Amino acid sequence: AQSVSQHNHHVILSEAASLELGCNYSYGGTVNLFWYVQYPGQHLQLLLKYFSGDPLVKGIKGFEAEFIKSKFSFNLRKPSVQWSDTAEYFCAVTLFGNEKLTFGTGTRLTIIP
Amino acid sequence: DTGVSQDPRHKITKRGQNVTFRCDPISEHNRLYWYRQTLGQGPEFLTYFQNEAQLEKSRLLSDRFSAERPKGSFSTLEIQRTEQGDSAMYLCASSLGLSAGSAGANVLTFGAGSRLTVL
Repeated sequence: AQSVSQHNHHVILSEAASLELGCNYSYGGTVNLFWYVQYPGQHLQLLLKYFSGDPLVKGIKGFEAEFIKSKFSFNLRKPSVQWSDTAEYFCAVTLFGNEKLTFGTGTRLTIIP
Repeated sequence: DTGVSQDPRHKITKRGQNVTFRCDPISEHNRLYWYRQTLGQGPEFLTYFQNEAQLEKSRLLSDRFSAERPKGSFSTLEIQRTEQGDSAMYLCASSLGLSAGSAGANVLTFGAGSRLTVL
């Protein structure tokens, strides 16, 4: 069955630390990849997406993600986190041409000032 | 309002009762999706519409669940004979419905959700 794995359930970092959140998927075929973020008390919103082309994609608020096809991974990175990055982060995948997004279980990120 | 609106935001009901949730998508979006999210999990796909046509339903959507989008605008999700296992956040999202391969395809705008608690 198709699945998305986020192995980090809760990550705690100090401000200015570097961040990397893992995302692995098990799909055959061409995929579209997403990271969504949910800030406390807010709804899910798109952070960044990969459709094709350059495997290193940049999103809002200084986040970036790298698609490594051979590793079935789409890890999220940020060189220096801020307290305002405290949120829950969800990786999502869909097959090209398919409307159904499959989400991972999410990673809760807590930034300590 | 330019976002996706959901109503009610929170519903508490007794087991066996019927509940209905409403979603108003972004007006120019022709695709509308319903997802369910339980504690500690990511959103799970339930169903989606293109205009008024329901094009895909998940196996999670048992026969107690029904979704409609009668005029291709707002949508309702009804749960009949609720069970405690139905307690969850029900999320609605909409998208422009761009063709696969375009940069905007599959980009969903989510609403705040409707939280259901079944006692």
